[in-house]
Amino acid sequence: DAGITQSPRHKVTETGTPVTLRCHQTENHRYMYWYRQDPGHGLRLIHYSYGVKDTDKGEVSDGYSVSRSKTEDFLLTLESATSSQTSVYFCAISSAVETQYFGPGTRLLVL
Amino acid sequence: ELKVEQNPLFLSMQEGKNYTIYCNYSTTSDRLYWYRQDPGKSLESLFVLLSNGAVKQEGRLMASLDTKARLSTLHITAAVHDLSATYFCAVDTKGGGADGLTFGKGTHLIIQP
Repeated sequence: DAGITQSPRHKVTETGTPVTLRCHQTENHRYMYWYRQDPGHGLRLIHYSYGVKDTDKGEVSDGYSVSRSKTEDFLLTLESATSSQTSVYFCAISSAVETQYFGPGTRLLVL
Repeated sequence: ELKVEQNPLFLSMQEGKNYTIYCNYSTTSDRLYWYRQDPGKSLESLFVLLSNGAVKQEGRLMASLDTKARLSTLHITAAVHDLSATYFCAVDTKGGGADGLTFGKGTHLIIQP
């Protein structure tokens, strides 16, 4: 398995609170991604990074920000969580030569 | 806007039968991915198809890509229960190989004895 970990794996929070999810890789891949998965929607891209400090928006970026200060870490922040952000969040990594490898996921519940 | 459509979205079939899942996409792309997801788990990469006419096989699964028709197929031969899962196809959103993927909604496959 690709060396990808996500933390926390489960989180319950209240509307209006900030939340940060962490993705950590040991593969030294250049590209990292955040997706969310919701029933009936498949996976949708939130943000991605093509290098340290280089990020770009995906399809559903509103309400989310990201940061990448080191190759191995990609952080996703919900500045003020809303119930519509209740979802399963997956991080993925890629070298761009091959497939994207996905982390184990984080289940987030916003009450 | 890139759209990726899979059909069927739900499929119940018997062991030993053959079936095909279809994946259509709306804009030009030379790279298509197939993933498998078991309930409550992450996504497992099955195939990456990198050019028109590409065909890849692994066990009872075979994937193909027709970039002119913007169509990929995932064919299941002599299905077994262990293949029960949700299967996703995905396409590079910008075609560069490093950008994010646009996913289909997934095909929920149940294989019954």
